[in-house]
Amino acid sequence: DGGITQSPKYLFRKEGQNVTLSCEQNLNHDAMYWYRQDPGQGLRLIYYSQIVNDFQKGDIAEGYSVSREKKESFPLTVTSAQKNPTAFYLCASSMRLVDGYTFGSGTRLTVV
Amino acid sequence: AQTVTQSQPEMSVQEAETVTLSCTYDTSESDYYLFWYKQPPSRQMILVIRQEAYKQQNATENRFSVNFQKAAKSFSLKISDSQLGDAAMYFCAMDSNYQLIWGAGTKLIIKP
Repeated sequence: DGGITQSPKYLFRKEGQNVTLSCEQNLNHDAMYWYRQDPGQGLRLIYYSQIVNDFQKGDIAEGYSVSREKKESFPLTVTSAQKNPTAFYLCASSMRLVDGYTFGSGTRLTVV
Repeated sequence: AQTVTQSQPEMSVQEAETVTLSCTYDTSESDYYLFWYKQPPSRQMILVIRQEAYKQQNATENRFSVNFQKAAKSFSLKISDSQLGDAAMYFCAMDSNYQLIWGAGTKLIIKP
């Protein structure tokens, strides 16, 4: 079945470390997105990509980086510059925005 | 700027009864799409229902229906015969160029 896979489900990061969250889709969707969700809050856009080898900053891109070398993959790196990275991270993809997004199951990142 | 507002942080309803979640939005576009997503405790985002702005008829999906008032820029979600499995965060969203714009969410509690 087609879908989006995020891994790992839980991730722990030490202060000063970079960590990478994986997002893979087999839906043949062109667009992919990364969102951050804090407790009791809505979704905030980190980065998005509408095509391979191209991506754009969202509302809260500082301290994050992405790549889009393959259509299926859109990994997110949380760098040491991100001062408050503890959050739930959601990856989504879309073929046509008017159809909405398909979401992955999320990654819970905790700084220890 | 386009915005989506959910003014009810939390709602509760007795099992088997009907509840309506509110959503208002602001846009200068004449043609757009509106969405309701559900996020249960598993945190998997699930598309509940979608409405095309140029369609007068309100969308319906089983026990879920919308009341779309284009002139008032209102897009409420009605859940009939509420079930325990409906307990979740509900997010309203609107398409805007390259992304969906999200409301802050409403937590729905179902009382047995």
